Amino acid sequence: KAGVTQTPRYLIKTRGQQVTLSCSPISGHRSVSWYQQTPGQGLQFLFEYFSETQRNKGNFPGRFSGRQFSNSRSEMNVSTLELGDSALYLCASSLDIREAFFGQGTRLTVV
Amino acid sequence: GDSVTQMEGPVTLSEEAFLTINCTYTATGYPSLFWYVQYPGEGLQLLLKATKADDKGSNKGFEATYRKETTSFHLEKGSVQVSDSAVYFCALAASNAGKSTFGDGTTLTVKP
Repeated sequence: KAGVTQTPRYLIKTRGQQVTLSCSPISGHRSVSWYQQTPGQGLQFLFEYFSETQRNKGNFPGRFSGRQFSNSRSEMNVSTLELGDSALYLCASSLDIREAFFGQGTRLTVV
Repeated sequence: GDSVTQMEGPVTLSEEAFLTINCTYTATGYPSLFWYVQYPGEGLQLLLKATKADDKGSNKGFEATYRKETTSFHLEKGSVQVSDSAVYFCALAASNAGKSTFGDGTTLTVKP
């Protein structure tokens, strides 16, 4: 069974640009969550989607958005990038709401 | 809100030493508890879990017991190996939320 796939693995963007990250969950999983991991802030919850609806949202500015498609694949978008957005972005999928399976992450560097 | 407090690191041990990483939590209701491990350059992998009080999760020689009375879920291993060097995260998932709350992570280095 394939795991959670995140693309791309690495990205370099310039301040002010926008970026879209993609996550394909494990087949059959309908919940997809996104996390930001930085050395200073640790793992912070961004948002969670279930059956194309945002079900939970963390404390991030509106520049961070996401969506989920009918096949459960999810994308997150960050607009007007700032240097502080440099981080490892992790996606996790779940069959039920408790146990999360993580992808390898997308390493975003904003220069 | 929910929170997880982990023992501060980094932790450095010699091979075959005993490992304990402390984890305590605050949550409403009856959360499930998890330990995840992250190797360099990788995402998080589920190491073990417990879904109710007094449950013991175990995997690859690691163990943790869900202690509701002390709101703790300490990770233990009797004899660590160099290959156990990684960052360990304690986490909880509340029964009515679609998200997990993580501790800050503890970096373990095992020296031969």
